[in-house]
Amino acid sequence: GDSVTQMEGPVTLSEEAFLTINCTYTATGYPSLFWYVQYPGEGLQLLLKATKADDKGSNKGFEATYRKETTSFHLEKGSVQVSDSAVYFCALSVPSYGNNRLAFGKGNQVVVIP
Amino acid sequence: KAGVTQTPRYLIKTRGQQVTLSCSPISGHRSVSWYQQTPGQGLQFLFEYFSETQRNKGNFPGRFSGRQFSNSRSEMNVSTLELGDSALYLCASSLTGGLAGEPEQYFGPGTRLTVT
Repeated sequence: GDSVTQMEGPVTLSEEAFLTINCTYTATGYPSLFWYVQYPGEGLQLLLKATKADDKGSNKGFEATYRKETTSFHLEKGSVQVSDSAVYFCALSVPSYGNNRLAFGKGNQVVVIP
Repeated sequence: KAGVTQTPRYLIKTRGQQVTLSCSPISGHRSVSWYQQTPGQGLQFLFEYFSETQRNKGNFPGRFSGRQFSNSRSEMNVSTLELGDSALYLCASSLTGGLAGEPEQYFGPGTRLTVT
């Protein structure tokens, strides 16, 4: 079945550091890829998306490129802020009539220290 | 445009009881999906409704059910609650449910259900 794998464990880094969170996927069809962010006590917010190979999604300084050859969609940000502390989820869907379900990775807790 | 709203935000129930959660999608969105989030299992898909029809169902027991109304609002029901049903239940709405190049889903704040 369709699945997403994120790197294990929380990510702790200092303010202004470079952030990378790895995400790889397995899909039977041609997936759309997403990053969602969850702040404490809240639901999920769509951070960015990409719907075809080599697309780059970007938002709020975050970027991710859809790499079909490596089945990856790694999230990056050049200079993190304390306000970026949250849990980040990589997800995919294979949109087709009758199936719009999202498959999520386990999520990565990001803690940014001032 | 208003986002996805869910009510109630918090709920405490006793084992064996039943519960109904409500979700109002973004105006104009026709697809509503439900997800369960727990620390152990992460985010798991429950079911999706599109134009009042259940299109897809995840791997959950029959105690979990849902419906969608003509105005696209959706409810999910859990009967005979178990301790393991304690979770954050998230609702997501989508414009076309994956059709016409609009795959993104927008989530509500969730309902935190605690079963004691």
